[in-house]
Amino acid sequence: GAVVSQHPSRVICKSGTSVKIECRSLDFQATTMFWYRQFPKQSLMLMATSNEGSKATYEQGVEKDKFLINHASLTLSTLTVTSAHPEDSSFYICSAAARSKGPNYGYTFGSGTRLTVV
Amino acid sequence: KQEVTQIPAALSVPEGENLVLNCSFTDSAIYNLQWFRQDPGKGLTSLLLIQSSQREQTSGRLNASLDKSSGRSTLYIAASQPGDSATYLCAVIIQGAQKLVFGQGTRLTINP
Repeated sequence: GAVVSQHPSRVICKSGTSVKIECRSLDFQATTMFWYRQFPKQSLMLMATSNEGSKATYEQGVEKDKFLINHASLTLSTLTVTSAHPEDSSFYICSAAARSKGPNYGYTFGSGTRLTVV
Repeated sequence: KQEVTQIPAALSVPEGENLVLNCSFTDSAIYNLQWFRQDPGKGLTSLLLIQSSQREQTSGRLNASLDKSSGRSTLYIAASQPGDSATYLCAVIIQGAQKLVFGQGTRLTINP
């Protein structure tokens, strides 16, 4: 199947520091990856669409200078939470469309990153 | 604007029962519809993907149907087990777009 690996699974950082989360497609190339944020007992909120070799497209209300997205290769996208604050604590999930593997794969998600800012 | 609604928001049934989860969407111009499962604190696991030209997909005890004209999909779970307890999410991709639009999910509890 199509596999997306996300690291780290959990991270605790101090207020004011930056945290980088990686999302890798292991067995397919992903020209587009997506970053979501999920609050407790709520559905996923799309933050941005990451395009390989170009700037990310951010959803309305998402601060692009706070949530830096880099998609430097066809298998890797990173999300950096800059100058983190406690309100940034959340569950972050990435996904990619495995269309290069055929039409039956749909979207594959990483296992998520639990960020806690103290 | 595409909106996806899932009913019920939560469901608790005894083990062994067959059950149906519902998903509706407002814009029938979709590329495909995907059902996911999410365990607490985990990412999403894809269960079934239905292309817009298909009417149903089956995997083991799971069967998903799609009626594009009425904007509905159902996920049927046969002979439910405690291990099926999780949140089930449906999502659609609009034609011409790449983004998934999610429902709010159904939190399913199977009681032993």
